[in-house]
Amino acid sequence: EAGVAQSPRYKIIEKRQSVAFWCNPISGHATLYWYQQILGQGPKLLIQFQNNGVVDDSQLPKDRFSAERLKGVDSTLKIQPAKLEDSAVYLCASSLSGRGNEQFFGPGTRLTVL
Amino acid sequence: AQSVTQPDIHITVSEGASLELRCNYSYGATPYLFWYVQSPGQGLQLLLKYFSGDTLVQGIKGFEAEFKRSQSSFNLRKPSVHWSDAAEYFCAVGAGTGTASKLTFGTGTRLQVTL
Repeated sequence: EAGVAQSPRYKIIEKRQSVAFWCNPISGHATLYWYQQILGQGPKLLIQFQNNGVVDDSQLPKDRFSAERLKGVDSTLKIQPAKLEDSAVYLCASSLSGRGNEQFFGPGTRLTVL
Repeated sequence: AQSVTQPDIHITVSEGASLELRCNYSYGATPYLFWYVQSPGQGLQLLLKYFSGDTLVQGIKGFEAEFKRSQSSFNLRKPSVHWSDAAEYFCAVGAGTGTASKLTFGTGTRLQVTL
């Protein structure tokens, strides 16, 4: 079974530029999550989708971050414009619906903002 | 709101020695608790989870964890550590109702294994 796919794996940009990350979840997983993991910290949930609807985006900085999950499958996370403090690993995870189901994580995208 | 504390930032153990990683949580209801492991450059992998029932939970790679409600703890243990266990370990608490399941992670414990 294929795992969660993410691209790109690494991205370096200048501050104020824009960037987009892509995630393809495990087939059949209705729930998709985007996490931000700053160096030395645990992952922090940015946004959670159930199919193509948003369940929780309370910690998403909506003035600069946006995410979509068209057709309820793959998803993109965008940052525009980027700030230095956005440097982090962005992790995508997916799970079956239902509370407590295991979340399967992708390898992440490491973003460096200069 | 729920929270997780992992008091040990970095732990070093010798190969073959026993291991215990500490985790304390704060959550108003019965928690769902998880331990994940993250190797360098990799995503997170689930080691084990606790939902209900037996408070001693067995996981993959020889790990186990014990849920102690009175201490709000969910410590991870392994009787004999292997060099390949060197990684970052994250404890997480799951919250939410219905189909929503939000994980809150601790700051992690980095495990170093000496030969």
